[in-house]
Amino acid sequence: AQKITQTQPGMFVQEKEAVTLDCTYDTSDPSYGLFWYKQPSSGEMIFLIYQGSYDQQNATEGRYSLNFQKARKSANLVISASQLGDSAMYFCAMGPIKAAGNKLTFGGGTRVLVKP
Amino acid sequence: DTAVSQTPKYLVTQMGNDKSIKCEQNLGHDTMYWYKQDSKKFLKIMFSYNNKELIINETVPNRFSPKSPDKAHLNLHINSLELGDSAVYFCASSLAGNYNEQFFGPGTRLTVL
Repeated sequence: AQKITQTQPGMFVQEKEAVTLDCTYDTSDPSYGLFWYKQPSSGEMIFLIYQGSYDQQNATEGRYSLNFQKARKSANLVISASQLGDSAMYFCAMGPIKAAGNKLTFGGGTRVLVKP
Repeated sequence: DTAVSQTPKYLVTQMGNDKSIKCEQNLGHDTMYWYKQDSKKFLKIMFSYNNKELIINETVPNRFSPKSPDKAHLNLHINSLELGDSAVYFCASSLAGNYNEQFFGPGTRLTVL
């Protein structure tokens, strides 16, 4: 069974500052993927970034970077230079790497509010 | 162009009714999913289909019956709706094989009165 824990239910961040969203996971699968999704108030789920368990380097996508520490089982999301449009719920998720049926297990989410 | 679309976006109905939610993807993906997001924003997998075959069924009541007429469509039919079924239902799709991100539809907000 897989489990994702996001310990920060909500946080404020000042515009233009960086923010780190915590995510820890637990799994017995040898290979897995870690994802971050953004859900703005409009409700859609937007894919942000992906990290494979065997990837040597931390993933980066624009202002998003994933701080992957495999030994600690953590996959924190760092958003640099926060913008007002970054205000949203952020979900960490993971899934096994299989041929098919890669279901995602989600954490409880972190609500981020960017202050001007 | 819409990648993953769902209809309807909002669904308000009475307890005991039967309703369906439709999902279509034009990404050429071979795997589709249904997730449920409850009032506390918790997202949980319900079903997954690969090439029209059910491969994941996560202890969902029998009142929920997914149907995949082809790889691009995955519909969700719910019988005898209950108050606890009120949630946002997301359809998603991905490619099987090497892990690829799942693309989500806009969600369907179901309210059971």
